[in-house]
Amino acid sequence: TQLLEQSPQFLSIQEGENLTVYCNSSSVFSSLQWYRQEPGEGPVLLVTVVTGGEVKKLKRLTFQFGDARKDSSLHITAAQTGDTGLYLCAGVDGGSAGNQFYFGTGTSLTVIP
Amino acid sequence: DSGVTQTPKHLITATGQRVTLRCSPRSGDLSVYWYQQSLDQGLQFLIQYYNGEERAKGNILERFSAQQFPDLHSELNLSSLELGDSALYFCASSVASSRSPLHFGNGTRLTVT
Repeated sequence: TQLLEQSPQFLSIQEGENLTVYCNSSSVFSSLQWYRQEPGEGPVLLVTVVTGGEVKKLKRLTFQFGDARKDSSLHITAAQTGDTGLYLCAGVDGGSAGNQFYFGTGTSLTVIP
Repeated sequence: DSGVTQTPKHLITATGQRVTLRCSPRSGDLSVYWYQQSLDQGLQFLIQYYNGEERAKGNILERFSAQQFPDLHSELNLSSLELGDSALYFCASSVASSRSPLHFGNGTRLTVT
């Protein structure tokens, strides 16, 4: 079993603050994905990182894949109330008969106006 | 809209009963995954099918079973239901590429009373 630990589990911050969420594993993955889930909906993909050391930026969100492809971080700058949700990382192992996705434990973010 | 359709959206049933959850994957996706999400928790992987064949099993109880049909839709059968089975059940689909994301449906909320 490949486990991904996310920290923190819960985060409540004021609008405008910065935050970082961590996703750690002892396993190496082909790629790593971050999803955001809003109440009553399914998770939606934010980004896929593939190369060790890769950094991807999506507006105020910065994603980094560790050099050894075992861990990742998500940094949000100047958080907004619309960032509220459950953030999930997922390690991906590719295969000819479909990928294996290993989800992290989740980080529940609340941004207070 | 993810392109993944799950029915029904809500299901209320009594302990000991049996229910069937249905999922139609995104057009062209051969892999179907089932996940269980309890309140404020991450996603627990149940089972994966690829092109009609079982590909991987997670923490799926013996009371639960699933199948993927030739038209690629999938059904998750839950029997001898217990109060603890109350949860959101998500179906997701994907193509077999290591960079491809999971596309989630909006889930079926099961309440066992």
